[in-house]
Amino acid sequence: AQSVTQLGSHVSVSEGALVLLRCNYSSSVPPYLFWYVQYPNQGLQLLLKYTTGATLVKGINGFEAEFKKSETSFHLTKPSAHMSDAAEYFCAVSGTGTASKLTFGTGTRLQVTL
Amino acid sequence: NAGVTQTPKFQVLKTGQSMTLQCAQDMNHEYMSWYRQDPGMGLRLIHYSVGAGITDQGEVPNGYNVSRSTTEDFPLRLLSAAPSQTSVYFCASSYSLAGAETQYFGPGTRLLVL
Repeated sequence: AQSVTQLGSHVSVSEGALVLLRCNYSSSVPPYLFWYVQYPNQGLQLLLKYTTGATLVKGINGFEAEFKKSETSFHLTKPSAHMSDAAEYFCAVSGTGTASKLTFGTGTRLQVTL
Repeated sequence: NAGVTQTPKFQVLKTGQSMTLQCAQDMNHEYMSWYRQDPGMGLRLIHYSVGAGITDQGEVPNGYNVSRSTTEDFPLRLLSAAPSQTSVYFCASSYSLAGAETQYFGPGTRLLVL
């Protein structure tokens, strides 16, 4: 079985500060890892994903994440938060190679303050 | 491209009523799925389809029915609504069932069952 743990259901940062959203996964096979973002009253959209190759993945809006196999982690970072980054962020793992086995974390709501 | 569209945006039902949530995509995607999103639980897969005429159950299928007669449409039917089905429902699609594929989400249907 595969699972995703997102540490912190709510994270608050000041505008211009570092954003760090944590994600740890478990998977018995090499994982595909995703971060999706959900803006208020909208559906989810892909921020970035790791499939194979380079472990540092760059996504949209200045976000990036690093796949660390030894730590089973895929934390999401952004050097400088912007007010428009306020949203809910979901980490997901597809560890068995099929989209029907995509497992989502419980989400982290990011608040950005002035 | 309109992407993934869902109707209605919001619906109130009484216990025992039935209804159909509509989902359509114009990207010629083979894989389509339905998720429900509940606070603190992330997204959970209800049903999915790998092509016209082919559907299968996800993690939480009870109380829901699906069919796929065309590539574009994937309606979700609630047979006899219960308060436990109060949730936000998202339809998603992707090019294939492969685990590395990006899922494209609709804007969601917010359902309240009284």
